[in-house]
Amino acid sequence: NAGVTQTPKFRVLKTGQSMTLLCAQDMNHEYMYWYRQDPGMGLRLIHYSVGEGTTAKGEVPDGYNVSRLKKQNFLLGLESAAPSQTSVYFCASTKGRLNEQFFGPGTRLTVL
Amino acid sequence: DQQVKQNSPSLSVQEGRISILNCDYTNSMFDYFLWYKKYPAEGPTFLISISSIKDKNEDGRFTVFLNKSAKHLSLHIVPSQPGDSAVYFCAASPVTTDSWGKLQFGAGTQVVVTP
Repeated sequence: NAGVTQTPKFRVLKTGQSMTLLCAQDMNHEYMYWYRQDPGMGLRLIHYSVGEGTTAKGEVPDGYNVSRLKKQNFLLGLESAAPSQTSVYFCASTKGRLNEQFFGPGTRLTVL
Repeated sequence: DQQVKQNSPSLSVQEGRISILNCDYTNSMFDYFLWYKKYPAEGPTFLISISSIKDKNEDGRFTVFLNKSAKHLSLHIVPSQPGDSAVYFCAASPVTTDSWGKLQFGAGTQVVVTP
């Protein structure tokens, strides 16, 4: 079991460029989440999905889009990157509301 | 508006002694609480959880206490070991039917265990 994997691990973008972060889980979890972590702050929820084909906004969704076409994958897109999106991005999954979330290793994104 | 607060950004403790990490919350709808541990350049890993119907949960060296009336929880690590040096996050989930497992995280407490 690989658990939750994230691709890529690091990326540097210029302002205005676009990119997609990929999250994959092999635990057959229904719920998946994207968070960002900034210095001095906890993890903040960007978007989440409660099943294949469903997505919903979290606490800080502006500037991001997501898709969940397959149960095991959850994609996070930045259409036009801004320096304020420089952060570490974590994906997580869980089988249910009262179960712990399993996190991926993170993607460190820098937008110049 | 931060609904989960960890007011101590750092904690230094001697190996073998007790580490006590604190967390306060403001939302009375939270009914499930978790602690996560995070090493640098890694994702958070689950440590221990507690539901609001309990006031204590133990797992080995880790114990979480919940005081609902004070909206306060704490994590005790006994005895502290060098491998416990990490950032610890408190997280909470509300009871509402549309919560979908969404977690609110505190800002974290950096624990350093010294020899």
